[in-house]
Amino acid sequence: DGGITQSPKYLFRKEGQNVTLSCEQNLNHDAMYWYRQDPGQGLRLIYYSQIVNDFQKGDIAEGYSVSREKKESFPLTVTSAQKNPTAFYLCASSKSGREADTQYFGPGTRLTVL
Amino acid sequence: AQSVSQHNHHVILSEAASLELGCNYSYGGTVNLFWYVQYPGQHLQLLLKYFSGDPLVKGIKGFEAEFIKSKFSFNLRKPSVQWSDTAEYFCAVNPAYSGAGSYQLTFGKGTKLSVIP
Repeated sequence: DGGITQSPKYLFRKEGQNVTLSCEQNLNHDAMYWYRQDPGQGLRLIYYSQIVNDFQKGDIAEGYSVSREKKESFPLTVTSAQKNPTAFYLCASSKSGREADTQYFGPGTRLTVL
Repeated sequence: AQSVSQHNHHVILSEAASLELGCNYSYGGTVNLFWYVQYPGQHLQLLLKYFSGDPLVKGIKGFEAEFIKSKFSFNLRKPSVQWSDTAEYFCAVNPAYSGAGSYQLTFGKGTKLSVIP
């Protein structure tokens, strides 16, 4: 089955700890994205990557970091500098170029910082 | 930068009622427009999209949306809703033909739809 997988589904961490969220896709998409979803806030873009070894900040990148060493993988690290890390995190991917427009989403990871 | 406004936070309808969810965007150039749906416990899914051409776009599950350029609007409609349409609906926009800008999809805050059997 082609798709996007995110693991784990639920994640709990203590305040002050860094945590890495996994995102893998087998759609052969060049571009990948990370969003944060909060109740009543919609989705907000954290980082995106158009191609391997390249990524750009989105609207709310502070306190987050990413890497893109492989086409299939785009892990997100939530650092201790992120002031309100508890949220639902969604990963997405898309083709590049003109077809970058349609993004396909994974099931999400719900992070709770205690 | 673009922005998206969804007028209704929560809409409650009875089955068979007609649905219209409002979406307005702000951007000075050509845009691509999307409606995504998030059913309880499921992935965010693409409902329909508009890139160019016929401003009336048909999507999955009987949904349609009309792009009215003069009003910067892309309202979602369905003639008769079902209980299974209960979900959260998100309107989104990105600049068209703008290189790196096309990767930056901006979402509205979402509208929760509750359909009562």
